[in-house]
Order: sequence, then C-alpha cells, then structure tokens
Amino acid sequence: DSGVTQTPKHLITATGQRVTLRCSPRSGDLSVYWYQQSLDQGLQFLIHYYNGEERAKGNILERFSAQQFPDLHSELNLSSLELGDSALYFCASSVEGQTRSEQYFGPGTRLTVT
Amino acid sequence: GENVEQHPSTLSVQEGDSAVIKCTYSDSASNYFPWYKQELGKRPQLIIDIRSNVGEKKDQRIAVTLNKTAKHFSLHITETQPEDSAVYFCAAPQNTAGNMLTFGGGTRLMVKP
Repeated sequence: DSGVTQTPKHLITATGQRVTLRCSPRSGDLSVYWYQQSLDQGLQFLIHYYNGEERAKGNILERFSAQQFPDLHSELNLSSLELGDSALYFCASSVEGQTRSEQYFGPGTRLTVT
Repeated sequence: GENVEQHPSTLSVQEGDSAVIKCTYSDSASNYFPWYKQELGKRPQLIIDIRSNVGEKKDQRIAVTLNKTAKHFSLHITETQPEDSAVYFCAAPQNTAGNMLTFGGGTRLMVKP
C-alpha cells in the first residue's frame, strides 16, 4: 500500500458522459500527478499539481481538466467521453514538486466507456 | 520534449539467469532516470533510480547503469526469480523543470521456473 488512494476503482459509463476521478495523496505530499495508461499508449503524463497550483501539462485533452483542493486531494474531470478514453487512470504523489523525488502511485481507476 | 525508447518489449528468461532492459533518451539535459515495476493488475512501483552524476547504482539483485554520452541507461536484474515477472518501465524528465516524466513503452519480463 503506497498511501495514495483513488476512487472509484472501476467506472463504466457511456460515450458523451462526464466523470470525476478522485485522488488523495500520501500524508505530507504536496504534489499530485495524473497519468493515463492504455494498452497502445503506455503510461502517459497528463498533469501535475503542486500545493494547489497547476505546474505542468502533458498531452491532456481539452475535454479533461483537473484541480487540487486546499486539503491537497485532487480530482480529474473527463467530459464528452469517447470510446478511446477507456483506460487505467493513475494518480501519483510526491513530497516535492520535481520528479526527482519518488512518486508513489495509487491503485488506479479503470474507466470503461461503452 | 523528451523521447524515451525501451527495448525489448518482451523478455523471457530462465529462473536464475540475468535480464537486461535498455532505454535511450533524447534530451541531453535529462538528469534523473527512474525504473518502475508494474505487476499484473497493480500500480507501478519505483524499484531503482539513478541521477546523472553517477554511472551505476546497485540495490541487491538490481542495478542500473547510465551512459550519458550515448544517452542510454539500462536495468540489470541478476539471479532472476519468478516474482520478478512483471512489466518494467524506464522514464526520464520531460522538461527542464523536472516535474514531468516521459515513460518508455515497457518491457514484459517473464521468468520461467
């Protein structure tokens, strides 16, 4: 157990819908990273938040957005869902704002879009 | 941005043999190279990392080597065991701020008893 929690574990929804994935970082960690893992794309960095502020964006679609709240938990919002959005979504947390500090991954949320 | 290539995509070894996974990166400014292990259905976990000021780092049966001139780094697992079977990912920072990681495509290692 890494100390990072993610809810829900599984999510099945239809195309065009909107979902929210939630992540709680390890106690004391200020950084939250979101990743998408699909069979053909591997692990893709989406976005990074540090202490409530967005610090970096990867190949995140405009239909996706995220935020980190004052209690440091983070939410990833996915809207106008498409079949290709089906994937495993991981969040990771670290103490600092740079990747040189170890990232601890949560168990992931498996999203299935039908 | 950084581009990380990882080879091989699959690797099958006999228990007790060594396994080597190689990654190349494109950005010569990259200075931190972690390796993650992901067992089936589980989260990625950091197993070892190396910074650009050293050429090799060992932790029991696992070692990582870095060749900055050639821009490649490798994971070495000795005396492999069935529990080493997993997908292994290398990564490198994607930006100068060092807060974005680009991952390699992964290597599925199978250790046959």
